[in-house]
Formats: sequence, structure tokens, C-alpha cells
Amino acid sequence: QLQLQESGPRLVKPSETLSLTCTVSGGSINTYNNYWAWIRQPPGKGPEWIGTIFYSGSVYYNPSLKSRVTISVDTSKNQFSLKLSSVTAADTAVYYCARRVRYYGFDPWGQGTLVTVSS
Amino acid sequence: DIQMTQSPSSLSASVGDRVTITCRASQGISNYLAWYQQKPGKAPKSLIYGASSLQSGVPSKFSGSGSGTDFTLTISSLQPEDFATYYCQQYDSYPITFGQGTRLEIK
Repeated sequence: QLQLQESGPRLVKPSETLSLTCTVSGGSINTYNNYWAWIRQPPGKGPEWIGTIFYSGSVYYNPSLKSRVTISVDTSKNQFSLKLSSVTAADTAVYYCARRVRYYGFDPWGQGTLVTVSS
Repeated sequence: DIQMTQSPSSLSASVGDRVTITCRASQGISNYLAWYQQKPGKAPKSLIYGASSLQSGVPSKFSGSGSGTDFTLTISSLQPEDFATYYCQQYDSYPITFGQGTRLEIK
């Protein structure tokens, strides 16, 4: 059974870079038609898609965050990562990683990690 | 960006009721629509993909319909564990977007 787990600092200072890693277990990250995504959810609000990296290495970002976001994959470790630069309090959210298979929705999701931006 | 608008924003219902939640896309998305259930402190759980296909392991009390711009999620015979927040999400084009959510509460 495929499982995803986010890891990384829970507290980030304003103007610094948020860095998270998603470790995939129970399957290979290098699987045809599998797309790997980061999604965040500010407290009390709905989910916001951040970006997706394809099995081929192509990446799509949300235009609202594109100038600050980098998503990369490390197939040797079966992980993919998120970097969000120049963070502010508005970036405080639960950050999820998730898998999407072509033509399907996001499934499964990681359990999520609350990242707080504060000095 | 494609805007996803859910209605109602909140809904009160009783155990045993049948409820319907609506999701409207700002432009046609064919059937590239998913529905999720989220309980407090948990990640969203996939219920429906392709507008009407049930995710593996999801009970048949959940059903989805629609195509183009108008979609519905119907939940029959509500049980206590069904009271949660529900989100629709389009994956027809990037950026992927979610509805604002419908909070289903016990009456």
C-alpha cells in the first residue's frame, strides 16, 4: 500500500525558505503516469495546490506561487521535495504531499505537517 | 484559472437523510472532477474521481454526477461518520483548483 510522509522544520522565520520532503513508501516514485504534488491548507481554509512534478521530471507550479516555489525529485531516495522562499505569515499552513495518477484525483495524501511562519 | 464554486457552504442534516452538494466550474472541465471528504485534523480523503467513479474502498452511499460545468455529490443514508467537510477539485487544466468546501453538520 502506497504511503506518503512529510518531514521538515515546523517553524520558519519570515523571509527565510521553507523546505519539506515527502518520502514515498510501498511503491516507486518513478512510475509511469504517477504525478507527485504539494498542496497546502491554511488554518480554517480550503486546500490550495502548490505544484506537481511528473514521473518524467516535468514540473507545473501554481502561478500565484511560481516565483517562490521549487519542487524536485530524488528517485534514489524515493522522495520529492518542496522549497518555498521568502515566506511570510500568509504561508502558515498544513502542507500535504499527495500522489495523483493520470485521470484520477489525489490519492493517497500524506498526513500533513503544520508549518508556522513566525519570528 | 478555473474557479470552482460549491453550494451550499454549509448544510445541516439528520442521520438517515440524503443530501446533495453542488459544484460549478467557471468553464467546462469535461469530467475531470474529484470529490474529497475531510475530517478535522485529517488529510482529505478521495471519494470520487472522473466526476462519477468511486474511489476504491469508498462505500456506494457516495455518488457523483455531472459533466462540463455542473457537478453534484450525493450522500445517501447519512451516518455520524459522514459529517465532515467536502471539497470538489478540477484537474482538467493547471492550475489545479479546489472549491471552497461544504461543511456538513448534524441537525
